[in-house]
Amino acid sequence: QVQLVQSGAEVTKPGASVKVSCKASGYLFSDYCIHWVRQAPGQGLEWVGLINLSLGSTSYAERFQGRVTMTADTSTRTVYMEMTNQRSDDTATYYCARGIVNRGWRHFDYWGQGTLVRVSS
Amino acid sequence: DIQMTQSPSSLSASVGDRVTITCRASQPISNYLHWYQQKPGEAPKVLICGASILQSGVPSRFSGGGSGTDFTLTISSLQPEDSATYFCQQAYRTPPWTFGQGTKVEIK
Repeated sequence: QVQLVQSGAEVTKPGASVKVSCKASGYLFSDYCIHWVRQAPGQGLEWVGLINLSLGSTSYAERFQGRVTMTADTSTRTVYMEMTNQRSDDTATYYCARGIVNRGWRHFDYWGQGTLVRVSS
Repeated sequence: DIQMTQSPSSLSASVGDRVTITCRASQPISNYLHWYQQKPGEAPKVLICGASILQSGVPSRFSGGGSGTDFTLTISSLQPEDSATYFCQQAYRTPPWTFGQGTKVEIK
């Protein structure tokens, strides 16, 4: 069965970087992309960006351009999201989610369990 | 970017009630509208894609409708396990994918 398993909770300081991982299993890794979505405590869902595993390309939300980098290790079927220069308002649960971008309805059909990132001095 | 606006932001209804949530897009999005359910402490789960296509395993009391800019999610007979927050998402003009602000459904 399809599974996305994320790394554990992180506590970072303002100005530091954080790197969250998402390990995929149960499907052909390169057939899909992986999106990252975040949710601040008690708030809604915000799309951060995606990595297209068949093309090796990335696309980031404008507000995160220059601060986020998404990479993949195909040998371990793991996707990484690194965000630099963390601020207190980056405190959120970060989810990875599987999707297709070039056909179909382009929805997110499987999600990881979420990784809480807390930014605190 | 396409803005998605949901209403109401929260509602309280009794078991067995019919509940409707509305989602409006700031510009036409054809049928590229999806609905997710999120329970506390859990990841979102897709209920409906393409505005009206029920995902496998989702109870038939859930249904979606609409096209263009106005969409609805209806629960025909509310059950205790439907207590959750519901989000709409557009996938027409992407990137970015954008979500509504959510509708919290509580059971009276």
